[in-house]
Amino acid sequence: DAGVIQSPRHEVTEMGQEVTLRCKPISGHNSLFWYRQTMMRGLELLIYFNNNVPIDDSGMPEDRFSAKMPNASFSTLKIQPSEPRDSAVYFCASSFIVVGAGNTIYFGEGSWLTVV
Amino acid sequence: SQQGEEDPQALSIQEGENATMNCSYKTSINNLQWYRQNSGRGLVHLILIRSNEREKHSGRLRVTLDTSKKSSSLLITASRAADTASYFCATDADKLTFGTGTQLKVEL
Repeated sequence: DAGVIQSPRHEVTEMGQEVTLRCKPISGHNSLFWYRQTMMRGLELLIYFNNNVPIDDSGMPEDRFSAKMPNASFSTLKIQPSEPRDSAVYFCASSFIVVGAGNTIYFGEGSWLTVV
Repeated sequence: SQQGEEDPQALSIQEGENATMNCSYKTSINNLQWYRQNSGRGLVHLILIRSNEREKHSGRLRVTLDTSKKSSSLLITASRAADTASYFCATDADKLTFGTGTQLKVEL
């Protein structure tokens, strides 16, 4: 089975440019997560979708960040305009969430973003 | 804020030795999970332990959970160089919150 697929794997962009990260979750999963990982802050949950609806976006750092999930098989995380401090690895993950049960999350390989 | 905090932050051992990592968390949980992250890769689920369990085994992995102390430990027995990775604990709810990780280095 294909796992969570992210693109691009690596991106270098100039400050001020728009960045769009893409994610295809595992088929059949009902939840999708975007995480950001940096040395300084560790692994942070940015936003969480359940059945394509954003449930919790409290981790989105600021208005420059936006995420969408137009259907069950696709999500985007957009940064506009990008800044050097946005440089990080962005992970998409998916899961089949059953409330109260142990829910394993499956991660993609990450998108390595460098903003110069 | 992060729920789980791993300890130590870094651990270096020789191949064949056991590695123990600890995780502390703040609020009540239904379950706790451990994940592994190889350098440059995504996290991979290792093992889940429920709040009514005290110990669980999976191959060379042994996880304990003490809900009274709000802590968990991950033991890797007979470590191998291939176990070199970062290890994270994550507490439940519908969104997993991860700790800062323990960087394990297993040297030949």
